Amino acid sequence: DVKVTQSSRYLVKRTGEKVFLECVQDMDHENMFWYRQDPGLGLRLIYFSYDVKMKEKGDIPEGYSVSREKKERFSLILESASTNQTSMYLCASSSGDYNEQFFGPGTRLTVL
Amino acid sequence: AQTVTQSQPEMSVQEAETVTLSCTYDTSENNYYLFWYKQPPSRQMILVIRQEAYKQQNATENRFSVNFQKAAKSFSLKISDSQLGDTAMYFCAFMKRRTGTASKLTFGTGTRLQVTL
Repeated sequence: DVKVTQSSRYLVKRTGEKVFLECVQDMDHENMFWYRQDPGLGLRLIYFSYDVKMKEKGDIPEGYSVSREKKERFSLILESASTNQTSMYLCASSSGDYNEQFFGPGTRLTVL
Repeated sequence: AQTVTQSQPEMSVQEAETVTLSCTYDTSENNYYLFWYKQPPSRQMILVIRQEAYKQQNATENRFSVNFQKAAKSFSLKISDSQLGDTAMYFCAFMKRRTGTASKLTFGTGTRLQVTL
């Protein structure tokens, strides 16, 4: 079974802090994704990566950056956290051009 | 840009009954894929069913089936013999095939399904 893990289930940070969210997958998938999930808005794509060191902006990249130094790990970085970044963050991975995405359990981030 | 619309924020169904969740999408593409994902309370999102747009036959997975109407851009999910474990948020998603990079999913806003005794 594909396993996608995220470093924390719950995280509380203060405004202005730098925040790192980590995601690791164990199935050698080339594609990895970061979404945020908000009530009434569904899932929105922040950034994705299709290879090591390769990244592409999603629909809402403002205020975020990403890093992919190793194939199995994809990090989401909030350079200076703000209260409007309080949300559930979901990581996913996939292989090939059009295969299903496998999701991690999510990190619920609260920025105070 | 593609959009996916789920017009039913919440639905309820009794155990053993059948329920249909609606989804419509807007695209000018001809080659694409559609998915239904399920997110149980406090648990991970998992794939329920997938449909390739070039296939006329509707996809089925055990108690789950879809009604794919390409011309109408409609992709509804039917759950037969509903079980308590089907209680979850259901998301409809659209994927346009891309080469040379990852194919992205565009999600609807979700339908919260409650299965009751």
